[in-house]
Amino acid sequence: AQKITQTQPGMFVQEKEAVTLDCTYDTSDPSYGLFWYKQPSSGEMIFLIYQGSYDQQNATEGRYSLNFQKARKSANLVISASQLGDSAMYFCAMSPMNTGFQKLVFGTGTRLLVSP
Amino acid sequence: GAGVSQTPSNKVTEKGKYVELRCDPISGHTALYWYRQSLGQGPEFLIYFQGTGAADDSGLPNDRFFAVRPEGSVSTLKIQRTERGDSAVYLCASSSRTSGSEEQFFGPGTRLTVL
Repeated sequence: AQKITQTQPGMFVQEKEAVTLDCTYDTSDPSYGLFWYKQPSSGEMIFLIYQGSYDQQNATEGRYSLNFQKARKSANLVISASQLGDSAMYFCAMSPMNTGFQKLVFGTGTRLLVSP
Repeated sequence: GAGVSQTPSNKVTEKGKYVELRCDPISGHTALYWYRQSLGQGPEFLIYFQGTGAADDSGLPNDRFFAVRPEGSVSTLKIQRTERGDSAVYLCASSSRTSGSEEQFFGPGTRLTVL
């Protein structure tokens, strides 16, 4: 079974600053994928970034980067140069790769508030 | 292009009633997923379709829940004898492949309230 833990219920950051959202995971699967999704108040889940467990490099997508530390089982999301539109819920998720499909397991989320 | 759409956006029903929630995936996407998101929680997996067949329904909470995808496109989640605990946002997602790295595209969800 997989488990995602997000210990920060809420985070505050000032516009243009960087912020790190924490995510730790637990799994016995040898290969897996890690995902971050953003959920604005409208409710729709928006994919941000993906990291494979065997990827050597940390994933980056524009202002988003994933700080993947496999030995520590952590997959923190770093948002650089925060914008007001980044205010939302952020969910970390994982999926084993041996099932042949994505069965995403989500954490409880972190609410990010970006202030001017 | 059109994203994943879900209807209705809101559904209020009485305890014991039957409800159907509809999902229109992105055209051409063969994989379709249903999740349930309770207040203050992350989404929880319910069921996965590859084409017309339910490849994994291990997340369905009990036999009151059933989902179909008869033509491999639109899917309907059916809940019989609704209970107050079924109140949640039901999210549908689709993807074009089944590999572990493929992004899932989510719809806006259906907010179900059981009175």
